[in-house]
Amino acid sequence: EVQLVESGGGLVQPGGCLRLSCAASGFAFSDYHMDWVRQAPGKGLEWVGRIRNKGRSHTTEYAASVKDRFIISRDDSKNALYLQMSSLRTEDTAMYFCASAMDRSGNWFFDHWGQGTLVTVSA
Amino acid sequence: DIQMTQSPSSLSASVGDRVTITCRASQGIRNSLAWFQQKPGKGPKSLIYDASTLQRGVPSKFSGSGSGTDFTLTISSLQPEDIATYHCQQYESYPLTFGGGTKVEIK
Repeated sequence: EVQLVESGGGLVQPGGCLRLSCAASGFAFSDYHMDWVRQAPGKGLEWVGRIRNKGRSHTTEYAASVKDRFIISRDDSKNALYLQMSSLRTEDTAMYFCASAMDRSGNWFFDHWGQGTLVTVSA
Repeated sequence: DIQMTQSPSSLSASVGDRVTITCRASQGIRNSLAWFQQKPGKGPKSLIYDASTLQRGVPSKFSGSGSGTDFTLTISSLQPEDIATYHCQQYESYPLTFGGGTKVEIK
């Protein structure tokens, strides 16, 4: 059974830092691209960024709203995905989901999602 | 950025009704479109990719169609377990973008 389990969320002050983790199991983690997606309270889904698989040299893409503040990394030996967040703003308050992306048609699409971890940025 | 517009933002239908949700892209995305179901307090569940291909294990009452800029998700016979918010998402180009969601309720 595929599982994605996020952790590391909590309350942080504006300007602070936080590191989220996502533990993966039940699939060949190293073959997949991995993404972070967030959802502000009562709002829709917003893509945060992606880290590609080893075959694509673990290159990354980010949304403009988090570029230069957030860093996505992964440890394939631990089946783990990370999101290092810095210079946090109140508008970063959201539930953060990790998602796996697979390729079956030349494009990479989401197949599995975690349950999320809540990040609250407030003084 | 490619804007994704879903309609309606919410709908109320009776058990057994056929329900259709529309998603429109601001520019052509071929068939690079996915649909997700999200129940309250849960993470999304992938339903469809490539506009019309069901993810493994998704019941056949869900179907998707479209190409280019206009797409639809159809639930053939609405059941209480289908109560959720449905999201579309394009993966043709970065940044990946989602529609605003459609909340489906039982009348």
